[in-house]
This record gives sequence, C-alpha cells and structure tokens, in this order.
Amino acid sequence: GQQLNQSPQSMFIQEGEDVSMNCTSSSIFNTWLWYKQDPGEGPVLLIALYKAGELTSNGRLTAQFGITRKDSFLNISASIPSDVGIYFCAGPNKPYSGAGSYQLTFGKGTKLSVIP
Amino acid sequence: KAGVTQTPRYLIKTRGQQVTLSCSPISGHRSVSWYQQTPGQGLQFLFEYFSETQRNKGNFPGRFSGRQFSNSRSEMNVSTLELGDSALYLCASRETGAAGELFFGEGSRLTVL
Repeated sequence: GQQLNQSPQSMFIQEGEDVSMNCTSSSIFNTWLWYKQDPGEGPVLLIALYKAGELTSNGRLTAQFGITRKDSFLNISASIPSDVGIYFCAGPNKPYSGAGSYQLTFGKGTKLSVIP
Repeated sequence: KAGVTQTPRYLIKTRGQQVTLSCSPISGHRSVSWYQQTPGQGLQFLFEYFSETQRNKGNFPGRFSGRQFSNSRSEMNVSTLELGDSALYLCASRETGAAGELFFGEGSRLTVL
C-alpha cells in the first residue's frame, strides 16, 4: 500500500526559531494535507493542498505541494510554545472524484518540542 | 457548529471482552470514518460509513465492525479484545463530496489489560 515518510521524526527547537518538516511518498498524491495533534486530542487540519506547486499559508504556517506530487513541506515561522505537538502529513489513497469512498494515508508524524 | 463528539473518552477492558465506541459527526456531515492510532503503527484507516452503508474497510480483522444510523451517528465495536487493541480510536466526519477536510473527534482511549 501507499506509505508516507515524514522527517524528521522529532525535533527540539528554541522559541522564535523557524521549523521545517517534510513528507515524501513513492507514489503520486493529488492532495496533501497537514494535521496537528495536541496531546490527548484528535488531529486538526492545518492546511490542505490540491495542486502541484501550490504554496499555501495559514498564519505562521506555510505548506507546499511538491512539483513531482510525491512530496510536501511544512514550515512554521517564529515558533511559540503552543506549536508543540505532532504534525502529520496525509493524503487520500486514491484520487477522489467527489463521490464514493474516501480514505487517508497518514505519515508517522513529526513531534515538535519548543524550548522557551 | 459543534464538533465531532466521541464517547467514552477513556475506557479500560480486559482481554476477551468487547467494546462499543460512539461517534456523533458534525451536523450535516453524512460521512463518518474511523481510524486507529497506536505508537507503533500510527494512524490507520478502519472503515468509512455513508448513509448507513459501509463504503470501505481497512486491513483489520473481522473482530472490528461498525455501523451508522439514520442520523449519521456511528458506532464501532471490537469483540474478543486483545492486548494489541489498546489504542486511541478516532472518528472523523466530512461533508459529502469534500476532499481533504476530515474533522476528527478527540478520540476514545481504549486500554486492554
């Protein structure tokens, strides 16, 4: 089946630093999603990307849909303590036509720790 | 709008027992999916329901089952519990035809002793 490889697995950064993480796949994805999960909570959608080359921002977060459609990047600028959590990339296991089944494949996550 | 609501939040069972978890999707969302999250395997798709019909099922044994009611609320059941079933079970809902925007609940944390 499809697999998403996220790196790094974990990172420790100082408050105020910028953060970059990525996600790669051996197969093409038509949609890339980035979720964040806080301890004891469910994942929350941060950014959705639908087009190769697309660059989308959500506040201090910026994500890009790779041109090859096999990778995506998430950047966080000027990190703050509440950025702590696990960040997941995800994508549908097959192209979604607007009807029918919808199933996401998730990466294993990048655990972010922010040192005040 | 209220978010996805899952109950119970935490539960402890022993091997061989069964468990039923409940999920109420966001109002108007007819698609409900279930995912299992473990430290080793990460987030894995269990099944998806739409209009009371199971559309798709992940690679889990038959001990894992689910259903959806006419009001879109969903339940999943795990019978003959094993230690390895200890996990966070997440329910997610989405609007019909919406690609990407899966909204997750807080999850039900199951511990099997």
